[in-house]
Formats: sequence, structure tokens, C-alpha cells
Amino acid sequence: EPEVTQTPSHQVTQMGQEVILRCVPISNHLYFYWYRQILGQKVEFLVSFYNNEISEKSEIFDDQFSVERPDGSNFTLKIRSTKLEDSAMYFCASGDRVRNQPQHFGDGTRLSIL
Amino acid sequence: QKEVEQNSGPLSVPEGAIASLNCTYSDRGSQSFFWYRQYSGKSPELIMFIYSNGDKEDGRFTAQLNKASQYVSLLIRDSQPSDSATYLCACRNTGGFKTIFGAGTRLFVKA
Repeated sequence: EPEVTQTPSHQVTQMGQEVILRCVPISNHLYFYWYRQILGQKVEFLVSFYNNEISEKSEIFDDQFSVERPDGSNFTLKIRSTKLEDSAMYFCASGDRVRNQPQHFGDGTRLSIL
Repeated sequence: QKEVEQNSGPLSVPEGAIASLNCTYSDRGSQSFFWYRQYSGKSPELIMFIYSNGDKEDGRFTAQLNKASQYVSLLIRDSQPSDSATYLCACRNTGGFKTIFGAGTRLFVKA
């Protein structure tokens, strides 16, 4: 069964450094998402991406965050200057051609900011 | 603020029993509803989705939706110890891309 893959599985970064989280969505999916989950808390929507542009973003997704689909397969989340509170699991998800279809999640990247 | 509310649990049921998980949502514009299972330290795994009022069955799982009451539930029949996990309810409205998750209900199935 096709799956969303994320790399790395664990990223440790010094506060203030830039970090890029990578995702390969399911190949025929058109909708791409990033979520985060701080330890012990809810899964929180960050951003959705469709047709090569951001379609919706949350208040969490401020100027420190950016997303990119640099080629036909990868989808990246960049955090420009990391803060301690950015420590969380970051999940990439993708969805099929119809918007209301469910999203399928990758295994996540655990981001630890020191 | 659009919210999805779930009882945090833990909900404890004996093996073979029916587990009933409930969820309410505040946004009347919500049209798509999802149940995900999340094991500790893992990513959410889709269990069921439902768009229309009524019941939808898939194997041991039944999702129930009542839009008038803004209520979604998940029934797990013949519960197994491997069903022990946190169950996340999630909602999305037709016009949007954003999916809002509840905090999850922890289910414990005793062997």
C-alpha cells in the first residue's frame, strides 16, 4: 500500500538554527499538509498546500515557517530560526484528488530543539 | 474558536466487549469526519471516515454521525487488546482544508 514517507525520523537542532523537514507524499495525491503534535497534546494543523501554493494556514504558521514543493515528489517544511517551543512531532499528510477525502499521515519527524 | 471535544479517558473495556467513543464538534459547517487511531509515539492511522448522517460500518468498526446534535461516535465491536490506543476524532468543513483534531480518548482493552 502506498505511504507517505518522512525524513529524518529524529532531528536535533540548536535553538536559532534553521531546520528542513522532508516528506514524500503518496504519488497521485494533490493535497499536502503539515501538522505538529507537542508531546501529550493535540494534533494541530499547520498548513495545507495545493496547486503549488498555500491554500490555508493556521495562526501557528507564522513567518518563521515556509513550505515548498521543489520537485514532483518532495514536500518540505522549513523553520527558519527554531525556538525551544518548536520541539514536537511533525507529521506530513497527503490527500487524494477530491478535497474531502481523508488524509494519510507519514510516520513523523521528532524535532528536538536544544 | 472551532473545537472538537472528546473525553480523554481512559476508557477501559474487557476483551470482546463493545467500546464506544464519542466526540462533539462546534463548527456547524463541518462536513467530513474522521476517526484516527494513534499508538504511543506513532502517527495517526485512519480508521473510518463519514460524511452523511447515520451509520457507516467497516469490519468491527461503526462510525455514527448526527449533524443536528453535532455528534460523532465510533463503536468497536469484539474489542481486542491490540485496539488499545488513543482514538482521535477529526473534522473538516467543506470549504476548507484545515482538519481540526480532538485531544483523543485513550482506550484500554483488558485481556
